[in-house]
Amino acid sequence: QQPVQSPQAVILREGEDAVINCSSSKALYSVHWYRQKHGEAPVFLMILLKGGEQKGHDKISASFNEKKQQSSLYLTASQLSYSGTYFCGTEGNSGYALNFGKGTSLLVTP
Amino acid sequence: ETGVTQTPRHLVMGMTNKKSLKCEQHLGHNAMYWYKQSAKKPLELMFVYNFKEQTENNSVPSRFSPECPNSSHLFLHLHTLQPEDSALYLCASSQAGMTSGGVREQYFGPGTRLTVT
Repeated sequence: QQPVQSPQAVILREGEDAVINCSSSKALYSVHWYRQKHGEAPVFLMILLKGGEQKGHDKISASFNEKKQQSSLYLTASQLSYSGTYFCGTEGNSGYALNFGKGTSLLVTP
Repeated sequence: ETGVTQTPRHLVMGMTNKKSLKCEQHLGHNAMYWYKQSAKKPLELMFVYNFKEQTENNSVPSRFSPECPNSSHLFLHLHTLQPEDSALYLCASSQAGMTSGGVREQYFGPGTRLTVT
């Protein structure tokens, strides 16, 4: 079952903040976040495991609410380099694979 | 070479052709994946191999046939494809997960842009 991401697209000015949400109808073991720039491969950002943890590096962080089966990605003081499509991948309690959302297109303008 | 490489980067084939996509990882991983990425659709998992054993086949048509001769190489053999199979095919690798979860971070190759005419 694919997770649902929102919003589908967002446009920011440099320095503004954004939140991207990912929700699932099934119980989750982990949530992965990836960023894909146009014409490039997706690049891993972070994994959040069940237990309600929060992670971050630099100005990009994420939270995982296991009970609500939701994760949010927070981008603060956005930079031009943050532009791209952000995907969440969710892992259920069995299996070896991720189900990816449709992605959120983020454009940061000067 | 470093990371995950894929060849060819672009492929145009007719519906009656047979071709193969190749993926190689130089990261010492033991799990490899094939994904299909179409416009405005989620990344679709096609196949998963853990320690050279296929552990996932996501209801993929038989015109796609994977092969994993060792933990560093993964192939996708294509035959009698349809125009709707045109897409970006991505290969990824990771450390193998466990049966109860624990999919590790995946490293993607640049993809093969496939066009079926």
